[in-house]
Amino acid sequence: QVQLVESGGGVVQPGRSLRVSCAASGFTFSSHGIHWVRQAPGKGLEWVAFISYDGSLKYYADSVKGRITTSRDSAKNTVFLQMSSLRAEDSALYYCAKDDGFDWSRGYLDYWGRGTLVSVSS
Amino acid sequence: EVVLTQSPATLSLSPGERATLSCRASQSVSSYLAWYQQKPGQAPRLLIFDASNRATGIPARFSGSGSGTDFTLTISSLEPEDFAVYYCQQRSNWPPLTFGGGTKVEI
Repeated sequence: QVQLVESGGGVVQPGRSLRVSCAASGFTFSSHGIHWVRQAPGKGLEWVAFISYDGSLKYYADSVKGRITTSRDSAKNTVFLQMSSLRAEDSALYYCAKDDGFDWSRGYLDYWGRGTLVSVSS
Repeated sequence: EVVLTQSPATLSLSPGERATLSCRASQSVSSYLAWYQQKPGQAPRLLIFDASNRATGIPARFSGSGSGTDFTLTISSLEPEDFAVYYCQQRSNWPPLTFGGGTKVEI
């Protein structure tokens, strides 16, 4: 079955960096894009970033552009979210989610991980 | 950026009743709209895509309708497990993907 497992969250000081990971299994990893969506405590969903099935396309929300990058390692079936210059407003549960398009980027998120919590605080 | 506005913010209903949730887009998104359900402590789950197509394994009591700027998610008869927060999301004009602010369906 499809599984997405995030890891790497934690408490980090403002201005510091953090890398979170999303390990995927149960589907053809090389054929699906992966989205990152975050949710601040008690708040709604905010799309953060996307990487296409082959890594050739990467999109970012304006709120994180220039501070966050995403990459993927096909050998490890893992996607990464590298976050730098972190701010208090970046504190959230970060989900990775599979794009339901096969060999293309459709924009619907059909499977989600359970999330990893990032807390930015001094 | 397409802004999605959901209403009402909270819907108070009883099991067995019909729930009607609204999502309005700031510009036309054609039929490129999805609905997700999120229960406390859980990740969102895709319910509906392309405005009216149920995702795999979603019960028939969930239905979606609409196109352009106005969309509706209907739960024909609420089951106890349906009390949750529901989000709409558009993919018509992305990036960015955008979500509505959510509607909480409470008992």
